[in-house]
Amino acid sequence: GENVEQHPSTLSVQEGDSAVIKCTYSDSASNYFPWYKQELGKGPQLIIDIRSNVGEKKDQRIAVTLNKTAKHFSLHITETQPEDSAVYFCAAKGYKLSFGAGTTVTVRA
Amino acid sequence: DAGVTQSPTHLIKTRGQQVTLRCSPKSGHDTVSWYQQALGQGPQFIFQYYEEEERQRGNFPDRFSGHQFPNYSSELNVNALLLGDSALYLCASSLNREVKTQYFGPGTRLLVL
Repeated sequence: GENVEQHPSTLSVQEGDSAVIKCTYSDSASNYFPWYKQELGKGPQLIIDIRSNVGEKKDQRIAVTLNKTAKHFSLHITETQPEDSAVYFCAAKGYKLSFGAGTTVTVRA
Repeated sequence: DAGVTQSPTHLIKTRGQQVTLRCSPKSGHDTVSWYQQALGQGPQFIFQYYEEEERQRGNFPDRFSGHQFPNYSSELNVNALLLGDSALYLCASSLNREVKTQYFGPGTRLLVL
C-alpha cells in the first residue's frame, strides 16, 4: 500500500519567515496530493492541493511543488503569521487517501 | 449551511464493549468516509460509503463496520473494543466520492479503558 513520509515532525519559525514541509510517497500510481491544516479540536481542513500533471501551484502565501520522478512533494508557506500555527498533513491518493504523520508548526511572534 | 457534524464529541468505553459513532454529511454531499487518527499521527482511512454501500476499505479488521442511511448520514460501529482503538474518529463527506470535495468533521474522541 501507499506509504507517505513527512518531515520535519516539528517546525518553529519566526513570524515573517518561511516554512517548508517535505513529503515522499511510495505508490507511483498516486495522482492527487492534498495538504491539510488541523487546528486543536477540529478536523483537517484542505488548504491546497496539486494533481500529478502539474509541477507547482500557488495560492497567496502558500505554494506546493511536486516531483513525480523523485516522488517528492513540498509545502511552502511564506511570510508566516501566528495564525499559521497548526498541525499540517500531506496526503497522497492512489487507491485511497494516505496521510503523512504531520508537522506541528509554531510561528513565534 | 451546517458542515459535517459528528456525535458524540467524546466517549469512554471499556475493553470488549461495542461503540457506535454517528456522522451527518455536509449539505449536498452523498459520500461519507471514516478515518481513525491516533494521537500524534495522521488520519488512517477506514472505509467509504456511497449509495448506502461500502465502496472502499482500508486495512482495518472486520470489527470495524459501518452503515449509510438514505439521507446520506452514516454510522461507524466498532465491536470488541481494544485499548488500541483509542483515537479520534473523523468523518469526512464529499460529492460523488470525489476526494477533492472532501470536508472533515471535528471528530469523536474515543477512549478505551
